[in-house]
Amino acid sequence: AQTVTQSQPEMSVQEAETVTLSCTYDTSESDYYLFWYKQPPSRQMILVIRQEAYKQQNATENRFSVNFQKAAKSFSLKISDSQLGDAAMYFCAFNAGGTSYGKLTFGQGTILTVHP
Amino acid sequence: DAGVIQSPRHEVTEMGQEVTLRCKPISGHDYLFWYRQTMMRGLELLIYFNNNVPIDDSGMPEDRFSAKMPNASFSTLKIQPSEPRDSAVYFCASSLVSRGEQYFGPGTRLTVT
Repeated sequence: AQTVTQSQPEMSVQEAETVTLSCTYDTSESDYYLFWYKQPPSRQMILVIRQEAYKQQNATENRFSVNFQKAAKSFSLKISDSQLGDAAMYFCAFNAGGTSYGKLTFGQGTILTVHP
Repeated sequence: DAGVIQSPRHEVTEMGQEVTLRCKPISGHDYLFWYRQTMMRGLELLIYFNNNVPIDDSGMPEDRFSAKMPNASFSTLKIQPSEPRDSAVYFCASSLVSRGEQYFGPGTRLTVT
């Protein structure tokens, strides 16, 4: 079974600074997808960024980037130039192939606070 | 394109009543998922469909819960009879098998009194 662990229940950052959210996962699969989702107070789950395991290059979406370390099974999210609108709960998620294809396994979430 | 659509957005009902939540997935998506989110248990997968066929319903808490997907553009999650512990936010999500990521609807906040 796959597991996803987010070891930081809460993080905070000053506006315009950089913050990194941690995520580790455990799987025996070799081909899979990893995601970060954002859930603001509106509760809408928003896809932030996507990484395919077979790609060595780290994914980037504007101010959001990941540090994907496949051997270490680590998938951290870096938010640069933090904005007040980045304040939300962030979930790391994993999608493997095989019999569980299509299912997402979520981490527990990290609450990010952005201070003005 | 429109995203995943859920209705109603809010539902308040009394214990024992039947509740039906509705979902319209993104057109062309072949997977549909129902989740429940609470403070205590986080985000839980209840059931998911592939091409309208239920694949895994092991997350459905008990027989009071049922889900259907009569066609590719519509799914329902029904709770009968409802209980206060069913109070939660229920999400529907859809995905393309080739992409992996899921797109979520806005959720339905259910309160059972």
